[in-house]
Amino acid sequence: RKEVEQDPGPFNVPEGATVAFNCTYSNSASQSFFWYRQDCRKEPKLLMSVYSSGNEDGRFTAQLNRASQYISLLIRDSKLSDSATYLCVVNTNAGKSTFGDGTTLTVKP
Amino acid sequence: IAGITQAPTSQILAAGRRMTLRCTQDMRHNAMYWYRQDLGLGLRLIHYSNTAGTTGKGEVPDGYSVSRANTDDFPLTLASAVPSQTSVYFCASSLSGAEDTQYFGPGTRLTVL
Repeated sequence: RKEVEQDPGPFNVPEGATVAFNCTYSNSASQSFFWYRQDCRKEPKLLMSVYSSGNEDGRFTAQLNRASQYISLLIRDSKLSDSATYLCVVNTNAGKSTFGDGTTLTVKP
Repeated sequence: IAGITQAPTSQILAAGRRMTLRCTQDMRHNAMYWYRQDLGLGLRLIHYSNTAGTTGKGEVPDGYSVSRANTDDFPLTLASAVPSQTSVYFCASSLSGAEDTQYFGPGTRLTVL
């Protein structure tokens, strides 16, 4: 089993749709969590950190469930520009990052 | 402009050759990382450095070596390249450790024939 697993996707949604991605992790000692966005063949960029209390940034909401060991990303009112691959990242207190394989989102007109 | 740069942008390399991928950051970040990303997959950590003078092995370190002589530079060396090392290589840095946001360079696309 992989340390970090994401919904396989791809997700194809119309503009304006709400879409949610999940990411599960196996290491209960994981300390910090992030969602990164990666556009085709380019470097990943931070989308948002994930806090225990959940956090929101505009149309994006991230949540953490430590008991079930998963994090989620909700995108409301999808835009064409949201089309990308979304990477879940889990860090341990030993300072190592583990990336999920990513979930591809395509938003269509 | 502050950031992280990588060189070369792309490279085609004959198997058995030695190759060094360069990475430089000017953000005075303590921690730096090397990842590889194969088609359709996520990033896998090769080596990391939490501070100048120290390095550590990641998930897939075999066939690669790194050094961290100063804060800014973190070169990755393939001593004798093999076709399975064909990949996109990303360098990243963070302020103090993996718990911080990682900033990525534009990547080096390496093909080993």
